[in-house]
Amino acid sequence: AQTVTQSQPEMSVQEAETVTLSCTYDTSESDYYLFWYKQPPSRQMILVIRQEAYKQQNATENRFSVNFQKAAKSFSLKISDSQLGDAAMYFCAYRSARGADGLTFGKGTHLIIQP
Amino acid sequence: GAGVSQSPRYKVAKRGQDVALRCDPISGHVSLFWYQQALGQGPEFLTYFQNEAQLDKSGLPSDRFFAERPEGSVSTLKIQRTQQEDSAVYLCASSSGTSGTSEQFFGPGTRLTVL
Repeated sequence: AQTVTQSQPEMSVQEAETVTLSCTYDTSESDYYLFWYKQPPSRQMILVIRQEAYKQQNATENRFSVNFQKAAKSFSLKISDSQLGDAAMYFCAYRSARGADGLTFGKGTHLIIQP
Repeated sequence: GAGVSQSPRYKVAKRGQDVALRCDPISGHVSLFWYQQALGQGPEFLTYFQNEAQLDKSGLPSDRFFAERPEGSVSTLKIQRTQQEDSAVYLCASSSGTSGTSEQFFGPGTRLTVL
C-alpha cells in the first residue's frame, strides 16, 4: 500500500515571500502521479499542480512549482510571491498509474500568510 | 451545473439511524470517487465508479457503507446504523477520464455528525 507523509502540520510565511511545503511518499510502483491540492476554509478541494513520475522535469504552474526527487520519493511544493489568497490547507496526494483507484492523501499542511 | 454538487451540505443523525448522501458529478464525467475526511485529517478513499460500475470499494470501512451509481451519473452513499465514528466530511469527486492523471474535481462535501 502507498503512504504519503506531510511532516509540517503548519507553516507560516510573510506575504510576498517564498515558502516550501514538504511531502514524502512510499510506493513499490514505478509509474504513478503526484498532486498538490489546496483546500480553503470553504472545504472545496482544488488542484494546484500535478507531476507525472516518468517526467524528470519539475512541473510549474505560475507561482507554484514542485521539486520532484523520484529516488528520494520526495515531492515538495514551492509557492513564490505568497498572497493572502494562498492561505489554506495543502494536501499532497498520490495516485497509481493504473487509474482504477483513488487518491492517497497526506494529513495536510496548514499554510498561514502573514500580511 | 458548473461543478460537483453534494447534498445535504450538513446532516445530523442519531446513532443507529440510516443516512443517504447524494453526489451530482460534472455532466459527462465518467469517473466518480467518494472520500471520507475526518477532522484534521486528509481525505481517505472509499470507493470508485467508472460509469455505473463500482470498480473499487476497498476503502469502505464496514458493510454498513454502501454506494451506488445506477445510471452512471448521480451517486448515493448510504450509511446504515450510523455510529459516532462515522462523523466526518464526505467528499465526492468526478473526473472526465479514467487514467491516473485525470484531474479530480471535488464537491463541497457533506458534513455528517452522529450524536
